Amino acid sequence: LAKTTQPISMDSYEGQEVNITCSHNNIATNDYITWYQQFPSQGPRFIIQGYKTKVTNEVASLFIPADRKSSTLSLPRVSLSDTAVYYCLVGVAFTSGTYKYIFGTGTRLKVLA
Amino acid sequence: GAGVSQTPSNKVTEKGKYVELRCDPISGHTALYWYRQSLGQGPEFLIYFQGTGAADDSGLPNDRFFAVRPEGSVSTLKIQRTERGDSAVYLCASSPSGGVNQETQYFGPGTRLLVL
Repeated sequence: LAKTTQPISMDSYEGQEVNITCSHNNIATNDYITWYQQFPSQGPRFIIQGYKTKVTNEVASLFIPADRKSSTLSLPRVSLSDTAVYYCLVGVAFTSGTYKYIFGTGTRLKVLA
Repeated sequence: GAGVSQTPSNKVTEKGKYVELRCDPISGHTALYWYRQSLGQGPEFLIYFQGTGAADDSGLPNDRFFAVRPEGSVSTLKIQRTERGDSAVYLCASSPSGGVNQETQYFGPGTRLLVL
């Protein structure tokens, strides 16, 4: 059964760079990797998306190695407001021919003052 | 513009009852997704609509769960004979056109369902 795994939790201090990795061994050939942020009692919110190599936007960077079996979300200079749960989302193709969007297990990031 | 909205925000029901959860996607988005999120877990895919049709309903756990999107906009997730294990947050998301090359999904705030 395909799995998309992440570290359960991470602690960081304000101003530090945080890197969160997602392992996705069974990612579909044509699919993108997307990262979401979720605060309590809210739906997930889009952060960044990529297919390969490196993508950067105003809030984060996403690093994807050539084999695409993992991806790393990088948050530069985190602040207290970045305390949230972070999920990767990938498409996984099963041998049965079905295709599913599978969220990672989630990483609970706590930013300390 | 308006984001994805879901009603009700909270629903408490008794075991065995029928419930309907509503999702209003972003205007113009043709793809709509339903997920279920249990406490401390990531969202679990349930069903995906492309327009009015269910493009993939393989995530629905059993035949007590059913979803419709009759006019290609608003969607309703229906749960019959609710069980305590159905208690979770039900999330809805929409994207402009969907497809295998995954688009950004925009999520609503979710409906918290509690089955007593």
